Amino acid sequence: EPEVTQTPSHQVTQMGQEVILRCVPISNHLYFYWYRQILGQKVEFLVSFYNNEISEKSEIFDDQFSVERPDGSNFTLKIRSTKLEDSAMYFCASIPDRPRTYEQYFGPGTRLTVT
Amino acid sequence: SQELEQSPQSLIVQEGKNLTINCTSSKTLYGLYWYKQKYGEGLIFLMMLQKGGEEKSHEKITAKLDEKKQQSSLHITASQPSHAGIYLCGADWNQKLVFGQGTRLTINP
Repeated sequence: EPEVTQTPSHQVTQMGQEVILRCVPISNHLYFYWYRQILGQKVEFLVSFYNNEISEKSEIFDDQFSVERPDGSNFTLKIRSTKLEDSAMYFCASIPDRPRTYEQYFGPGTRLTVT
Repeated sequence: SQELEQSPQSLIVQEGKNLTINCTSSKTLYGLYWYKQKYGEGLIFLMMLQKGGEEKSHEKITAKLDEKKQQSSLHITASQPSHAGIYLCGADWNQKLVFGQGTRLTINP
């Protein structure tokens, strides 16, 4: 069964460093998402991406964040200068298309630890 | 604001017992998702409901969406240790999922 994959599973970085989190969405999907979950808190929407541009972004998704689909398979989330409060699980998700509602499958997540 | 409230926040049941988790919205739900999460791990898709009055089942888990499409319930029959985890409901609003705070389920032997 097709699945969303994410790498790395765990990333440790020092405050101020740049990190890139990688996702491979399901191959025929067109909408891509990033969510994050600070330990013990809600899963929060960060950004949605369609047709090589951002569809919507949350207040969390400030200028330190960017997303990119550098090739036909990868979908990346970059944090330019990490802060302690960026420590969280980051989840990627994808769906085939909009506006229909589809089952939204999540990747296993990347745990980001900022020290 | 677009929020989902889950109840209870935590639940401890004896193995073999039935249980229900609720998810309530102040706005109409056009797509309601249930996920299961082990603490600190990924989200496992359980079910998606769209139509008022819809009910879906998978093994011993049944999810329902009320006729008004503002409340959903997740019911587990004859609970097992494998059901332990955090259950999340998520609503499809404006091209994104908004999640409840989760219900932590503990199954005691």
